[in-house]
Amino acid sequence: GAVVSQHPSWVICKSGTSVKIECRSLDFQATTMFWYRQFPKQSLMLMATSNEGSKATYEQGVEKDKFLINHASLTLSTLTVTSAHPEDSSFYICSARTQGPRNTEAFFGQGTRLTVV
Amino acid sequence: DAKTTQPTSMDCAEGRAANLPCNHSTISGNEYVYWYRQIHSQGPQYIIHGLKNNETNEMASLIITEDRKSSTLILPHATLRDTAVYYCIVRVANTGNQFYFGTGTSLTVIP
Repeated sequence: GAVVSQHPSWVICKSGTSVKIECRSLDFQATTMFWYRQFPKQSLMLMATSNEGSKATYEQGVEKDKFLINHASLTLSTLTVTSAHPEDSSFYICSARTQGPRNTEAFFGQGTRLTVV
Repeated sequence: DAKTTQPTSMDCAEGRAANLPCNHSTISGNEYVYWYRQIHSQGPQYIIHGLKNNETNEMASLIITEDRKSSTLILPHATLRDTAVYYCIVRVANTGNQFYFGTGTSLTVIP
């Protein structure tokens, strides 16, 4: 149980285009999802907190107009990287919190490798 | 959330116990100690968490000192598949708070 799935697993896009990454909680409802970014040989950096039905909360230094987050349902959050540039190439990971007995844990997706060329 | 300090890297022989330390000297009374690991190019995987009592599950054991200022994650019989970066995180449980990751410990299990 408590499976989080991301799609796609990897994507290559041209500079200037936009890319959408989906994060789904497959067997539970997640009122809150989190988006992280990880550059090579570095730790995960929290980008934003996504709450179902409301605007996302972004960490300091993260451009909300560049990284659009939509959390339209209790099982789906999307991250859109707009006008992507090579420096946006990174590993993007989402996580979701469950409700109920295991609500103290966060479960992570398998990540999406974005390469902007 | 309290800051944690972990060694950058560790080696462990296959089949032996891997003991991964974590210092969290500024931990608050309501903060739990969580451990996650990340195998290369995958999302983090939950291992275990605890407040003050030692905890054990099918993956690992968590030993928390009496003053709660440090803890040790124990993998009893390390395998090659345990090679990963291990993150120790302290945070208040049962909240919408995020998990903030430090640099973690890169564990290499050697054949």
